[in-house]
Amino acid sequence: DAGVTQSPTHLIKTRGQHVTLRCSPISGHKSVSWYQQVLGQGPQFIFQYYEKEERGRGNFPDRFSARQFPNYSSELNVNALLLGDSALYLCASSLVFTGGDQPQHFGDGTRLSIL
Amino acid sequence: RKEVEQDPGPFNVPEGATVAFNCTYSNSASQSFFWYRQDCRKEPKLLMSVYSSGNEDGRFTAQLNRASQYISLLIRDSKLSDSATYLCVVNYINTDKLIFGTGTRLQVFP
Repeated sequence: DAGVTQSPTHLIKTRGQHVTLRCSPISGHKSVSWYQQVLGQGPQFIFQYYEKEERGRGNFPDRFSARQFPNYSSELNVNALLLGDSALYLCASSLVFTGGDQPQHFGDGTRLSIL
Repeated sequence: RKEVEQDPGPFNVPEGATVAFNCTYSNSASQSFFWYRQDCRKEPKLLMSVYSSGNEDGRFTAQLNRASQYISLLIRDSKLSDSATYLCVVNYINTDKLIFGTGTRLQVFP
């Protein structure tokens, strides 16, 4: 079975542009979370979606938004890109909204570079 | 103060050595605890969950002290392939929001 898949793998943008990142969870998984990992730091939570509803939001500006589709795939959108948005964006899926008892499985990530 | 704190290292150890990593967390509402491993420029992968009674998986032993809000990971008989960054992770009751430490880098040399 395929794991969590993310696209694209790499992306280069310039300041002020917007970007859409995509994630397909493991088959059967209904919860998708997004994380940002800046070089030298651990991943930082951005959003969680479960059954197409937002279930959690991290401390990120409104330029960041996301949604989940009926097939449980998800998009992360970032507007008005800043240099500081350069990071590895990770998507994680889990079977259900469990309150943390079950592990989350991460995709390979999208490496976003802002010039 | 960071919610999850780890010594960033690097820890440079010879093959066969025993190495221990520590982690402290600040929020007593933390419910679940994990160690993830991350190889350079790769995604984090779950190494093991951490339980109050302590748990072992082969050469890896994890301990949790809720009273001191402290988590540890012990690696015995280190292998070259253990070289990676080890991320201490907690999450809170009724959420799936994982809180990561900055990670501890381990380098095992021949």
